[in-house]
Amino acid sequence: AQSVAQPEDQVNVAEGNPLTVKCTYSVSGNPYLFWYVQYPNRGLQFLLKYITGDNLVKGSYGFEAEFNKSQTSFHLKKPSALVSDSALYFCAVRDVGNTPLVFGKGTRLSVIA
Amino acid sequence: GAVVSQHPSRVICKSGTSVKIECRSLDFQATTMFWYRQFPKKSLMLMATSNEGSKATYEQGVEKDKFLINHASLTLSTLTVTSAHPEDSSFYICSATLAGTDTQYFGPGTRLTVL
Repeated sequence: AQSVAQPEDQVNVAEGNPLTVKCTYSVSGNPYLFWYVQYPNRGLQFLLKYITGDNLVKGSYGFEAEFNKSQTSFHLKKPSALVSDSALYFCAVRDVGNTPLVFGKGTRLSVIA
Repeated sequence: GAVVSQHPSRVICKSGTSVKIECRSLDFQATTMFWYRQFPKKSLMLMATSNEGSKATYEQGVEKDKFLINHASLTLSTLTVTSAHPEDSSFYICSATLAGTDTQYFGPGTRLTVL
């Protein structure tokens, strides 16, 4: 069975500084990895995904994530944080095919001006 | 493209009544939709997989007679919470996969409050 771990409940970063939101995964086969962002009382917005190919994946709003097979990690990064990036971030994994996502518990990102 | 809508966005009902939540894929067809539930400050938990033209597949611990799912067409799935109780109050979110993209797109969610 797949599982995802987001070790940090909360990440605080100053505006303009780089940010990292951590995610590690466990799958039996090749991982299909995703990052989503959720703003208060809203659904999830897709940021980026890794299926295959380059380990560095670029996504929406300047976010990127690096797939590291040896460390089974898929950390979300952004070179320069904005206050508007403050939200709840979810890492997710799923199996091949049209299968449901398994989510991490989420990490709340707070960017301070 | 790839927009998923949910209706209503927010509903308040009395205990014992039933509530229907609609999930629509607006610009694509979805043979499969997923229903998730999110508790305050918690992650999303999969409730069921909704398959067009067939019965939904429920996750362990989810009462299929309480959470009725109907996937009547390739663009519409409904979740009906029957005989709602205060403990059913939650944020319900649906998603659908855009064929050929491997990506699930989520609806904006429905906040259910049972008094």
